[in-house]
Amino acid sequence: QKEVEQDPGPLSVPEGAIVSLNCTYSNSAFQYFMWYRQYSRKGPELLMYTYSSGNKEDGRFTAQVDKSSKYISLFIRDSQPSDSATYLCAMRWPGGYQKVTFGIGTKLQVIP
Amino acid sequence: SAVISQKPSRDICQRGTSLTIQCQVDSQVTMMFWYRQQPGQSLTLIATANQGSEATYESGFVIDKFPISRPNLTFSTLTVSNMSPEDSSIYLCSGQGLAGGNEQFFGPGTRLTVL
Repeated sequence: QKEVEQDPGPLSVPEGAIVSLNCTYSNSAFQYFMWYRQYSRKGPELLMYTYSSGNKEDGRFTAQVDKSSKYISLFIRDSQPSDSATYLCAMRWPGGYQKVTFGIGTKLQVIP
Repeated sequence: SAVISQKPSRDICQRGTSLTIQCQVDSQVTMMFWYRQQPGQSLTLIATANQGSEATYESGFVIDKFPISRPNLTFSTLTVSNMSPEDSSIYLCSGQGLAGGNEQFFGPGTRLTVL
């Protein structure tokens, strides 16, 4: 079993839809959770970062963490064609500089 | 936030040759890392580049194949040695700490094709 499971997609949605991206993980030692966005032929870009269970909102993006279920989500409201990218979940142990474990990434396409 | 640049951005190489990838950060960072990203696979950490000492390699990666240098807090190189087609991949440099902030941030990647 992989430490981090993420559906690779692709996921196609119409412009304006609410997008839900999810990851599950098996290692309860993971305490910090990130979402990266990667456009084609670019490096991953940190989108959201959270530590505690619950929701964290930033504009149209909401990151949700449920540590009891080992499940994290990223919601995108009012999706735009510019949101078309691959979204990678990532997580690490607590402590300053711990190894980050990535999901495989979900490819999202927002259709105008 | 800090910005990472990588050279070259892409290359096509012959089997058996070596390629050195450069990673430059525009401000000092505590940690630098090298990743490989292959189609259908998650981002895989190759090694942590330690300033002034030998890199720390992950399981499955060895120094003879992927020698790494880090002479200061803003620069690192990764060499892919004695290349084979299986080394075709995107190689990404990342940084963390000091001006880079608490979480890892990435360079644009180097797209390597080995014939």
